[in-house]
Amino acid sequence: AQSVSQHNHHVILSEAASLELGCNYSYGGTVNLFWYVQYPGQHLQLLLKYFSGDPLVKGIKGFEAEFIKSKFSFNLRKPSVQWSDTAEYFCAVNWGSASKIIFGSGTRLSIRP
Amino acid sequence: EPEVTQTPSHQVTQMGQEVILRCVPISNHLYFYWYRQILGQKVEFLVSFYNNEISEKSEIFDDQFSVERPDGSNFTLKIRSTKLEDSAMYFCASREIHSKGYTFGSGTRLTVV
Repeated sequence: AQSVSQHNHHVILSEAASLELGCNYSYGGTVNLFWYVQYPGQHLQLLLKYFSGDPLVKGIKGFEAEFIKSKFSFNLRKPSVQWSDTAEYFCAVNWGSASKIIFGSGTRLSIRP
Repeated sequence: EPEVTQTPSHQVTQMGQEVILRCVPISNHLYFYWYRQILGQKVEFLVSFYNNEISEKSEIFDDQFSVERPDGSNFTLKIRSTKLEDSAMYFCASREIHSKGYTFGSGTRLTVV
């Protein structure tokens, strides 16, 4: 079955630290990849997406992600986090011609001021 | 920017009652989805809908659930006889036919008491 894995359940960082959140997905051919953010009490917002082309994708709020096909990974990065980045981060994948996207279990990011 | 609108934002219902959650997808989108997120858990796919019929549904989407597009704008999720475990945030999403991008609504928090 198709699956998305986020191995970091809770990450705690200090402000200005660098961030990398892992995302791996199961093999299934062509993939479309997404990172969503959910701030406390709010809805899902799209941070960035990858469909094709340059595997290094830049998104909003200074986030970027790198698609590494050989590792089935799409890790999210930010060079310097801020307190306002405190949120839950979800990786999501859509395989080939399938209609739905499947979400990972999420990573809760807590930033110490 | 076009939005997916969900109403109500929060609904409290008694166990055994029927609830209808409403969504207004983006007007030129043709694929519609419902997802749910139980508190503290991952976002789970419920059902996808295209061309006035269900295109895919998950194991969660059992006989107590149904979806409908009663007119040209609304997309509804009905839960016939709510259980305590139906308490969750329900997200609607829509997508253009030739696009790979999904737009999520702000969600309806359903509380079953």
